Amino acid sequence: EPEVTQTPSHQVTQMGQEVILRCVPISNHLYFYWYRQILGQKVEFLVSFYNNEISEKSEIFDDQFSVERPDGSNFTLKIRSTKLEDSAMYFCASKLQTGFEAFFGQGTRLTVV
Amino acid sequence: SQQGEEDPQALSIQEGENATMNCSYKTSINNLQWYRQNSGRGLVHLILIRSNEREKHSGRLRVTLDTSKKSSSLLITASRAADTASYFCATDANPGGSNYKLTFGKGTLLTVNP
Repeated sequence: EPEVTQTPSHQVTQMGQEVILRCVPISNHLYFYWYRQILGQKVEFLVSFYNNEISEKSEIFDDQFSVERPDGSNFTLKIRSTKLEDSAMYFCASKLQTGFEAFFGQGTRLTVV
Repeated sequence: SQQGEEDPQALSIQEGENATMNCSYKTSINNLQWYRQNSGRGLVHLILIRSNEREKHSGRLRVTLDTSKKSSSLLITASRAADTASYFCATDANPGGSNYKLTFGKGTLLTVNP
């Protein structure tokens, strides 16, 4: 069964460092998303991406964040200068053009020290 | 305002019992979805109910939606230890297309004791 895959599963980084979280969405999906979940809190929407551009972004998604679809398969989230409060589980999701079900990856746990 | 608030926050039951979790939301929605998350893992889509539906079944899952009360419930019948997980409701309030996004609640932690 097709699935969204994320790498790495866990990343530890020093404060101020740049990180890139990688996702391979399901191949025929056209909408891509990043969500995050700080430990013990809600899953929060970060950004949606369609037709090679950002469709919508939340207040969390400030200038430190960027997304890219560098080729036909990968979808990346970059955090330029990580802060302690960026520590969270980051989920990638993708969706067909039709329908309402988003398929989520297993997440990348980012720990900023 | 908070969209998608589940209650209870935690629920502990014995195997074989039914588990009911509730979700309330604030704004009008297109649909409401329930997801499961095993500890430290990804989100698994369980079931979706559209705003014009009142009840939906999938295996041991039964979801109801009351748009007048802006609430939904998820019933898991004949629970198993493997059902132990956090359960989240998520609402889609946007008209769809490129503006689609989900708003999640804080979740209910369900523990099913063998």
